[in-house]
Amino acid sequence: QVQLVESGGGVVQPGRSLRLSCSASGFTFSSHAMHWVRQAPGKGLEWMGLISYDGSERYYADSVKGRFTMSRDNSKNTLYLQMNSLRAEDTAVYFCAGSAGMQAGCEYWGQGTLVTVSS
Amino acid sequence: QSVLTQPPSVSEAPGQRVTISCSGSSSNIGNNAVNWYQQLPGKAPKLLIYYDDLLPSGVSDRFSGSKSGTSASLAISGLQSEDEADYYCAAWDDSLIGPVFGGGTKLTVL
Repeated sequence: QVQLVESGGGVVQPGRSLRLSCSASGFTFSSHAMHWVRQAPGKGLEWMGLISYDGSERYYADSVKGRFTMSRDNSKNTLYLQMNSLRAEDTAVYFCAGSAGMQAGCEYWGQGTLVTVSS
Repeated sequence: QSVLTQPPSVSEAPGQRVTISCSGSSSNIGNNAVNWYQQLPGKAPKLLIYYDDLLPSGVSDRFSGSKSGTSASLAISGLQSEDEADYYCAAWDDSLIGPVFGGGTKLTVL
C-alpha cells in the first residue's frame, strides 16, 4: 500500500537548521510531483513548496522562499526539505504529499512530523 | 488571511445535507481546478474531490463538488457523525505559482 513517512522533526532553536525526509513506497515516486504542507498548532493547512517529478522545477511559498529548499532522490524514493534560519512561526506539523501533476490534487499524504522552533 | 475564503464552521443534523463554500479569484479558482480535502481530528488530510467535481476511488458518493466562476462548493448529503472533520478547498494560483488553501471549515454534525 502507499506510504509516505516523514522523519527528522524535533525541537530546534531559532536561527538553526533542520532537514526533514519523506520516504515513499507503494507508488511510482519518480512520476509524482511532491509537496510540503505544514499546519501550525490549531491552524489550517499552509502549502510550503513543490518539486516536479524530476526535480527540475521547484516553487516555494513566499513565507519560506530563500530559507527552505526542497530536493528529491528518485533512486531512493525520498523527498527532502532543508530548513534554514528557522523562526518560531515555523513551528508546525510538516506533511509531505504527492500529486500526479504539479497542479493536481495531492492524493498521497504522510502522517506528518512536528517541528518546534523554540529557545 | 487565506487566499481562498471558507466559512470557519458549519453544522447540520445527521441525515441532512450541508454545503461548504470556497471563494477565490480569477488567478486561482477562476482559472484552475479546485480540490477538496477532509482532515479528521489528529489525522493527515485526505483528498476528497479533485478537478472540481471528481471523486477519488473509495470516496463516498455522498460527497460532491461544483464550481462556478471564482467560487466552488462542497456538498455532503446524508450527514453522518463520522463526517465531523475540517474541510479545506485548494486551487493552483497563477500569480503565486503554487497551490493555495482555504482557511478550512469545521463541520459539526449535531
